[in-house]
Amino acid sequence: EADIYQTPRYLVIGTGKKITLECSQTMGHDKMYWYQQDPGMELHLIHYSYGVNSTEKGDLSSESTVSRIRTEHFPLTLESARPSHTSQYLCASSEGSGEETQYFGPGTRLLVL
Amino acid sequence: KNQVEQSPQSLIILEGKNCTLQCNYTVSPFSNLRWYKQDTGRGPVSLTIMTFSENTKSNGRYTATLDADTKQSSLHITASQLSDSASYICVVSDRGSTLGRLYFGRGTQLTVWP
Repeated sequence: EADIYQTPRYLVIGTGKKITLECSQTMGHDKMYWYQQDPGMELHLIHYSYGVNSTEKGDLSSESTVSRIRTEHFPLTLESARPSHTSQYLCASSEGSGEETQYFGPGTRLLVL
Repeated sequence: KNQVEQSPQSLIILEGKNCTLQCNYTVSPFSNLRWYKQDTGRGPVSLTIMTFSENTKSNGRYTATLDADTKQSSLHITASQLSDSASYICVVSDRGSTLGRLYFGRGTQLTVWP
């Protein structure tokens, strides 16, 4: 069982609200990732980090932002939520050795009304 | 274009039966291929990982095969159980980038009925 946690698990929020999705891992992994997944579709990488103070945008354009101030913490923020942001957001981490397996959190299901 | 295609999209089998899921990929250069299991409302969990030189890998009742020449992989589930109901995702990693970029299939949704 991977030690990676996400909160909240479910979030229903109105348009225009600012939200932060939390992700933390206790494995000391350098690399962390955020994916977006719609039902029946593949995961799309939206952000990743190689380590503290490192953040990069992924393949899928996203209006969200991330920060990596501590190794174990990689929060994702939406300044103004819109219905198009409705999706499942999955956080993952890996050791950073190159061929490593990514360990996923349970995900946050976001519904923007 | 690097892609991962999985078939079938969905599958229903009876408890105790075997099944095989397919994955075709065009990712190049190839590094490794993983099969993940994703339960509803949960994050994916790694089942197997295979590199270029490996053509079969087992994890309990799960056996994955890889043909790097034809760029095909399969996941065989033996004596299925109700708890096997999940989405099975094929993930291919390319070589030559520090990120180890992953390419995800859309998954096969497996339902096991009693």
